[in-house]
Amino acid sequence: AQSVTQLGSHVSVSEGALVLLRCNYSSSVPPYLFWYVQYPNQGLQLLLKYTTGATLVKGINGFEAEFKKSETSFHLTKPSAHMSDAAEYFCAVSDVSGATNKLIFGTGTLLAVQP
Amino acid sequence: NAGVTQTPKFRILKIGQSMTLQCAQDMNHNYMYWYRQDPGMGLKLIYYSVGAGITDKGEVPNGYNVSRSTTEDFPLRLELAAPSQTSVYFCASAGGSYEQYFGPGTRLTVT
Repeated sequence: AQSVTQLGSHVSVSEGALVLLRCNYSSSVPPYLFWYVQYPNQGLQLLLKYTTGATLVKGINGFEAEFKKSETSFHLTKPSAHMSDAAEYFCAVSDVSGATNKLIFGTGTLLAVQP
Repeated sequence: NAGVTQTPKFRILKIGQSMTLQCAQDMNHNYMYWYRQDPGMGLKLIYYSVGAGITDKGEVPNGYNVSRSTTEDFPLRLELAAPSQTSVYFCASAGGSYEQYFGPGTRLTVT
């Protein structure tokens, strides 16, 4: 069965510092992987996704993630944090157990950006 | 396109009352989902649908019911509301690529 682990429920960085949010997955088949962002009192919005092909994926707002099969990881990075990046971030993996297009979500990482 | 819409945005229910959370999408997506989100717990799948007339249970279906009479609409019914159903509810839809599109959510309090 697929699963997702996000290390660190809370991460705090200074404005301008590197953002690194960790995601490890478990999947018996090549997965599709996603990062979603949730701003306060809003729904989830897709940041980026990996399906096939290039393992370094660029998303919106300067974020990127690299699919590393050997490490079963899909960490999210941004070179320089901005105050507007403060939000909760969710990693998700495709559930391939049936033709349902379901996603399995991690428990989320709340990113705080200090001035 | 409006995307995925949900109504109401907020609702307070008394224990034992019932209500329906509405969800609609205008992207002609076959797949639709209902999640609940509780602090620190991520998203839990309540019910999902792979097309009109077809629904199935997710991880936490107890206390809820759904129907899918059209491609566009996927209402979630709460019968006999309980305090444990206090949560934020999200509806999502997907085409054929696993990418899910989320509505803005309904914040429900049961007292």
